[in-house]
Amino acid sequence: KAGVTQTPRYLIKTRGQQVTLSCSPISGHRSVSWYQQTPGQGLQFLFEYFSETQRNKGNFPGRFSGRQFSNSRSEMNVSTLELGDSALYLCASSLGGQGAEAFFGQGTRLTVV
Amino acid sequence: KQEVTQIPAALSVPEGENLVLNCSFTDSAIYNLQWFRQDPGKGLTSLLLIQSSQREQTSGRLNASLDKSSGRSTLYIAASQPGDSATYLCAVRRSQAGTALIFGKGTTLSVSS
Repeated sequence: KAGVTQTPRYLIKTRGQQVTLSCSPISGHRSVSWYQQTPGQGLQFLFEYFSETQRNKGNFPGRFSGRQFSNSRSEMNVSTLELGDSALYLCASSLGGQGAEAFFGQGTRLTVV
Repeated sequence: KQEVTQIPAALSVPEGENLVLNCSFTDSAIYNLQWFRQDPGKGLTSLLLIQSSQREQTSGRLNASLDKSSGRSTLYIAASQPGDSATYLCAVRRSQAGTALIFGKGTTLSVSS
């Protein structure tokens, strides 16, 4: 079966712009989580959506937001981009229950110039 | 606050060696622990998931153990191959209500032929 699909794979944006990233989870998975990966901080949790509702949120500024649609696809938006937002953004999907295994996509590499 | 540490940060071994990667976490109240593999510039591939009630999981040449009381997990790789070269990440699940994972910084493994 198809895995987690993230689009686009690469993005270059200018400081101050906004960007939207997309994630299609594995069919049947209702939970989508987003993570930011940088060389200095490693992998950090942004937020999780389950059945169109944000269920958990990490410690990121309000410029980072997301949503989930009825088909479980999720989008992440970053407004007023800063150079420090350059990172690999990873999406994970799971069934959402206790103990569920997380499956990750290939990520979107965002470069802010 | 849950913190996850992986030692060593980097490891180089000749092909055929058996090796152990270590992961420690500060709060033993976890729901599960997951080991991932990441190739350069790519997403994460799930290797093994250990629930908090389990002591170990095996998949092919990989064996992961979990000692919740001491806050430790190990990933054992038997008969290493050049194709095993990658960064290995461990992550603990911190919340019953969601799938937020706390990651270590990883161990970068290089297996030479």
